[in-house]
Amino acid sequence: DVKVTQSSRYLVKRTGEKVFLECVQDMDHENMFWYRQDPGLGLRLIYFSYDVKMKEKGDIPEGYSVSREKKERFSLILESASTNQTSMYLCASSSGGMNYGYTFGSGTRLTVV
Amino acid sequence: AQSVAQPEDQVNVAEGNPLTVKCTYSVSGNPYLFWYVQYPNRGLQFLLKYITGDNLVKGSYGFEAEFNKSQTSFHLKKPSALVSDSALYFCAVRDKDYGGATNKLIFGTGTLLAVQP
Repeated sequence: DVKVTQSSRYLVKRTGEKVFLECVQDMDHENMFWYRQDPGLGLRLIYFSYDVKMKEKGDIPEGYSVSREKKERFSLILESASTNQTSMYLCASSSGGMNYGYTFGSGTRLTVV
Repeated sequence: AQSVAQPEDQVNVAEGNPLTVKCTYSVSGNPYLFWYVQYPNRGLQFLLKYITGDNLVKGSYGFEAEFNKSQTSFHLKKPSALVSDSALYFCAVRDKDYGGATNKLIFGTGTLLAVQP
């Protein structure tokens, strides 16, 4: 089975801190995604990457950046954390084939105080 | 443009009764359709998908979904609900005819299924 591992289940950070959320997948998937999930808003795409060193903005990229230096790892960076970035963050990966869905990590619940 | 709608924020059903969670979609070409389930404080887990072939798709945990092209729907069903089915369910769609390596899944906003004992 494909595994997508997010480094932390729960994080508490202070306003203004730089925050790194790490995601690693073990099945050589080309595509990786970062979403945030908030009650009533569903899943919102922050950034995605379809190849090493490649990235594209999703629907809500403001306040975030990403890094993909290796195929298996996709990092989400909060440059200066704010309280409105308190959320559940979900990483996902998929192969390049059209009939494949996504495999999700377990999520990181981030609280910014 | 691709979109998916889950018209019900919450569905309540008694244990042992059949359940339906609704999903409608809009794509310009032919759809790939997916259902995911999310248990509290967990990521999303794949349940089933429709790619081609039989309109009735069977998936994990006894769930199935029916693809209806004329109604552009892909409702999730289960003949007999369990309390352990209580979770958040997401429908997702991809346009089969929209090419490109970055063709993303579009997710609905989710439906909370509550099964009462």
